[in-house]
Amino acid sequence: EDQVTQSPEALRLQEGESSSLNCSYTVSGLRGLFWYRQDPGKGPEFLFTLYSAGEEKEKERLKATLTKKESFLHITAPKPEDSATYLCAVGDFNKFYFGSGTKLNVKP
Amino acid sequence: SAVISQKPSRDICQRGTSLTIQCQVDSQVTMMFWYRQQPGQSLTLIATANQGSEATYESGFVIDKFPISRPNLTFSTLTVSNMSPEDSSIYLCSVGSRGEPQHFGDGTRLSIL
Repeated sequence: EDQVTQSPEALRLQEGESSSLNCSYTVSGLRGLFWYRQDPGKGPEFLFTLYSAGEEKEKERLKATLTKKESFLHITAPKPEDSATYLCAVGDFNKFYFGSGTKLNVKP
Repeated sequence: SAVISQKPSRDICQRGTSLTIQCQVDSQVTMMFWYRQQPGQSLTLIATANQGSEATYESGFVIDKFPISRPNLTFSTLTVSNMSPEDSSIYLCSVGSRGEPQHFGDGTRLSIL
């Protein structure tokens, strides 16, 4: 069964305290792994696409990496404005499979 | 990336009624998707709507309950029919091509009394 699992469900960090979010998947026919940020009352906002193991993408304080079975979203020196729910999705040829998300709260 | 507008942004409806949600894109796209997101939950795909063909529904979703129209390459509607409190959710539309990122509207927040 195709599945995407994210951990932890929730994460509280102090401003400046770096950490990582995990997304593991069992999806056959992987066409890409996608990270999104979702703020309350908004739709998911696209962050990164990763297509092959070993690939890395960076944007400001965020860095996404991919292995054959999981992806990590590393957050370096986070700020309160990084607080949001981070969703990962795995795409096969036909559709996306979303994880349940990690709710990140960064305290000043 | 495409800009996606959904209407209405929120609504409160009576049990047994139907509501049609509109999704407008600022550019022509082949594939449009409709998702449901229940409070605190992740996104569940309802159906894929390609212009010129019937929508493809996921397991657990049926056309009689969630009829979809896709009259052209920039517009789609999702109707939630004969609503019950269990249909209270956020409904999201997205666009994307196979293997490419999907881009989302801000959703329609639906409450059923």
